[in-house]
Amino acid sequence: GDSVTQMEGPVTLSEEAFLTINCTYTATGYPSLFWYVQYPGEGLQLLLKATKADDKGSNKGFEATYRKETTSFHLEKGSVQVSDSAVYFCALSGGSYIPTFGRGTSLIVHP
Amino acid sequence: NAGVTQTPKFQVLKTGQSMTLQCAQDMNHNSMYWYRQDPGMGLRLIYYSASEGTTDKGEVPNGYNVSRLNKREFSLRLESAAPSQTSVYFCASGWTGPNEKLFFGSGTQLSVL
Repeated sequence: GDSVTQMEGPVTLSEEAFLTINCTYTATGYPSLFWYVQYPGEGLQLLLKATKADDKGSNKGFEATYRKETTSFHLEKGSVQVSDSAVYFCALSGGSYIPTFGRGTSLIVHP
Repeated sequence: NAGVTQTPKFQVLKTGQSMTLQCAQDMNHNSMYWYRQDPGMGLRLIYYSASEGTTDKGEVPNGYNVSRLNKREFSLRLESAAPSQTSVYFCASGWTGPNEKLFFGSGTQLSVL
């Protein structure tokens, strides 16, 4: 079945550092890929998505590129802020249309 | 601009008690979902409803029942709560399709003593 593997956290960075959170997936066909963010005490909300190979999703300075050859969708940001501290979830939606989520990666950004 | 509304936000139960978590969405979505979130386990799907009148089991359905009351409402019932059901529960809704995102409620923190 479909699955998503994310790097384990927490990821701890200083403000203005470069961020990468790795995500790889297993799925049949051509799934859509998503990154969701969960701020403390809140539900998840969509950060960005990509629906086909080589697509780049972007939002709020975050980017991720759909790499079919490496089955990856790594999240990047050039300069993180304290306000980016949250839990980030990689997810896919494949043939069943039921979203599959990774385990989440906690990001902590220090001033 | 309500989106997905879950009630209650917090609940403490004793083992064996029952309760229903309520969820309503005002976006006319056809699909609704219940997830539980546990440390180190991420989000796990309990039940989902692809359309009004249908429900299906997800990854961890044991100990739960659901009702899709109408297009707006999707409730989750614990008939006899167990400590293993201590978790944060999220309801979500969305359009059915591979490119469609989910909209989440703010969660219910449930403790079973």
